[in-house]
Amino acid sequence: DGGITQSPKYLFRKEGQNVTLSCEQNLNHDAMYWYRQDPGQGLRLIYYSQIVNDFQKGDIAEGYSVSREKKESFPLTVTSAQKNPTAFYLCASSRLNEQFFGPGTRLTVL
Amino acid sequence: QQQVKQSPQSLIVQKGGISIINCAYENTAFDYFPWYQQFPGKGPALLIAIRPDVSEKKEGRFTISFNKSAKQFSLHIMDSQPGDSATYFCAASGDYSGSARQLTFGSGTQLTVLP
Repeated sequence: DGGITQSPKYLFRKEGQNVTLSCEQNLNHDAMYWYRQDPGQGLRLIYYSQIVNDFQKGDIAEGYSVSREKKESFPLTVTSAQKNPTAFYLCASSRLNEQFFGPGTRLTVL
Repeated sequence: QQQVKQSPQSLIVQKGGISIINCAYENTAFDYFPWYQQFPGKGPALLIAIRPDVSEKKEGRFTISFNKSAKQFSLHIMDSQPGDSATYFCAASGDYSGSARQLTFGSGTQLTVLP
């Protein structure tokens, strides 16, 4: 089955720790995205990538980092510089207009 | 900052009724307007989308109405069913960067359809 997988589904982090969220797609899409979702709010773009080894900051990139070493993979690192990291994180990929979303990772800072 | 304003925040409808969710945008360069449906704990899924060259698009029970002059668009769900209970997001885009298209999302509407 083609699709987007995110792991882990739930992630707990202590303050001051960096954590990396995984996103893999087998849809052969060039573009990939990371969004953050908070309760009662829409999705906000963190980073996006058009092609391997290239990525651009979105609206809320501070405290996050990404890499795109393979077409299929776009991991997101939440660094200790992110002041309020507890949220639901969504990865997406697209070809042309439609963005396909993964199932999400819920990150909780303890 | 480009914004998409969505209302209402929550909506309760009886089974068989019509659910209507509205969105307004500011940026006249937007040229693609999708609606996403999200169930709790899941990622959003594309429901239906429209471009500004048409005023209405219908897919099954779901219809988008688009008013370019008013910079507004809305989602109508006919014959609403309890299974339609979910959060609905409108979005808009006009920005292509190579292969990537940046979407600006509304804040979401939590729809509850009562049996």
